[in-house]
Amino acid sequence: KNEVEQSPQNLTAQEGEFITINCSYSVGISALHWLQQHPGGGIVSLFMLSSGKKKHGRLIATINIQEKHSSLHITASHPRDSAVYICAVRSYNTDKLIFGTGTRLQVFP
Amino acid sequence: NAGVMQNPRHLVRRRGQEARLRCSPMKGHSHVYWYRQLPEEGLKFMVYLQKENIIDESGMPKERFSAEFPKEGPSILRIQQVVRGDSAAYFCASSPLAGEAGANVLTFGAGSRLTVL
Repeated sequence: KNEVEQSPQNLTAQEGEFITINCSYSVGISALHWLQQHPGGGIVSLFMLSSGKKKHGRLIATINIQEKHSSLHITASHPRDSAVYICAVRSYNTDKLIFGTGTRLQVFP
Repeated sequence: NAGVMQNPRHLVRRRGQEARLRCSPMKGHSHVYWYRQLPEEGLKFMVYLQKENIIDESGMPKERFSAEFPKEGPSILRIQQVVRGDSAAYFCASSPLAGEAGANVLTFGAGSRLTVL
């Protein structure tokens, strides 16, 4: 079993829909990152969380430390949101980043 | 502040040649991480370095791969005698020293795409 699990693996949506991507982890962490990777592109850090909730534009990220779970929400989705969204946790013990396998999101007009 | 700079962005090598990938961290960042992304797969940790010191290389293949982060200059990921299976995107990320302000901040470079013919 992977230490970081994301769901769903693939997600399609119509423009305007509300989207949720989930991340569960099994290790103790010092931080959790949500990353975005466009096809053939680099990696952009969207959020870094250690507790609570953060919001940036149409993106919202939440984390529940007790349940070892985080969610990334996209409100009023747009085709330009189409990308792979990756959850990564920094292990408290090793300081190493452990990545989920990513969620491939396609938003159609 | 130019961010994390990786070069070359694209590198083509023939089997048996050497590949050298460079990563210059963000100004003020003293830790560098290398990750590999094979085609259609997720990111995998390779090595974690600070200046003149390898902290964790548990993700590095045992042979042909090495990494360094010298006192001066960029971090270098070196792959000797490349094989087709080394074709991948190699990403570098940097962060400040643990315990410093923003220690968990991680900034990624744009990646270096290695193609082995």
